[in-house]
Amino acid sequence: GAGVSQTPSNKVTEKGKYVELRCDPISGHTALYWYRQSLGQGPEFLIYFQGTGAADDSGLPNDRFFAVRPEGSVSTLKIQRTERGDSAVYLCASSLGSGVNYEQYFGPGTRLTVT
Amino acid sequence: AQKVTQAQTEISVVEKEDVTLDCVYETRDTTYYLFWYKQPPSGELVFLIRRNSFDEQNEISGRYSWNFQKSTSSFNFTITASQVVDSAVYFCALSEARGGSEKLVFGKGTKLTVNP
Repeated sequence: GAGVSQTPSNKVTEKGKYVELRCDPISGHTALYWYRQSLGQGPEFLIYFQGTGAADDSGLPNDRFFAVRPEGSVSTLKIQRTERGDSAVYLCASSLGSGVNYEQYFGPGTRLTVT
Repeated sequence: AQKVTQAQTEISVVEKEDVTLDCVYETRDTTYYLFWYKQPPSGELVFLIRRNSFDEQNEISGRYSWNFQKSTSSFNFTITASQVVDSAVYFCALSEARGGSEKLVFGKGTKLTVNP
């Protein structure tokens, strides 16, 4: 079956530009997570959706970062006025339900490079 | 605050050697979950195991085994008779069992290279 997919796989943008990163979760998965992984580091939590609502956005680094999931399926992570420090791999994960008993399935990530 | 420490940045072994990856965690909660993930060169994180804080039994799955010790806040991972395909970055992670968010807190990872 299809896993979590993320598009684009690579994105190069100039400092100051706006970018959108897309995540297609596994069909039927109600929970969706965004993480950011910098080089040589473990993934860092950004935001968690249960259905359409952001249940926990405590990991978003500042107000340049925003994410939506309007229909409870596909999610878009939006970054305004990108900075070089935003360069990282952005990972999306989905799970069948809410709670640690549900395994998080990760996508391949989007590698964002801000020049 | 939650924290996961993987002190070993890189480990290199020869095929068929046993190797143990260390993980030490910090949490104030009495109920929490521990995880190990594998990240091969392709980049996708692969779930290996989940353990809750009330279950200290060691677990074995094929060549993989996990040793959970609450007394030392450790959740170590051993690969027996390592193979080249085991080469990857391995992450230990922690999640507190609170309603509303089951975010994972990851360590920095240990890069394992298994040489033929």
